[in-house]
Amino acid sequence: QIVLTQSPSASASLGASVKLTCTLSSGHSKYAIAWHQQQPEKGPRYLMTLNSDGSHIRGDGIPDRFSGSSSGAERYLIISSLQSEDEADYYCQTWDTDIRVFGGGTKLTVL
Amino acid sequence: ELQLVESGGGFVQPGGSLRLSCAASGFSVTRNYMSWVRQAPGRGLEWVSTTYGGGTTYYAGSVKDRFTVSRDTSKNTLYLQMNSLRDDDTAVYYCATSATYSTFEFWGQGTLVPVSS
Repeated sequence: QIVLTQSPSASASLGASVKLTCTLSSGHSKYAIAWHQQQPEKGPRYLMTLNSDGSHIRGDGIPDRFSGSSSGAERYLIISSLQSEDEADYYCQTWDTDIRVFGGGTKLTVL
Repeated sequence: ELQLVESGGGFVQPGGSLRLSCAASGFSVTRNYMSWVRQAPGRGLEWVSTTYGGGTTYYAGSVKDRFTVSRDTSKNTLYLQMNSLRDDDTAVYYCATSATYSTFEFWGQGTLVPVSS
């Protein structure tokens, strides 16, 4: 059973960078994931697909301030030059043959 | 331009049924992977179902045998038939689509389904 673990909250200052972490469960360290953003009172938005080697493909219209990297079972979302509209919930998500799985989400506060 | 518009949400009693619709434009619901994802109040995202092309459909264990996905190609619309609804099915239900097998590249704005007596 695939489990994705995320810290419930994170914070960073306006203009700074932040790194959010998503950890894959044992036995699933080679899985690719996707990152999704959900701003307050809005539907989710796809950000990128991130592979185990750190290569990633951003969704349409996603600025290059959003990037990804990987190390072992950990997948990271890096947001640089933080803006107020980046304050949102961020979810990682992965998949297997007949299932899709979300992490619990990280609430990012921009100070 | 891609667009997904969900409708059909509303109050329903436990044990009742409801059918949600997801009207798509800018692409064909038969050519893309189509999914339903829900979000209970104050909670995270939960995958419900994914369907593709010839009709292969996968369901989360929590909804299997109660929920059924279908498509109307003439209306380019995806449906979610929900039966035997429970309190814990209360959520905003999002429709999502993707050209790839793996994820959800474009999302609708969601429709709220409160299950309550």
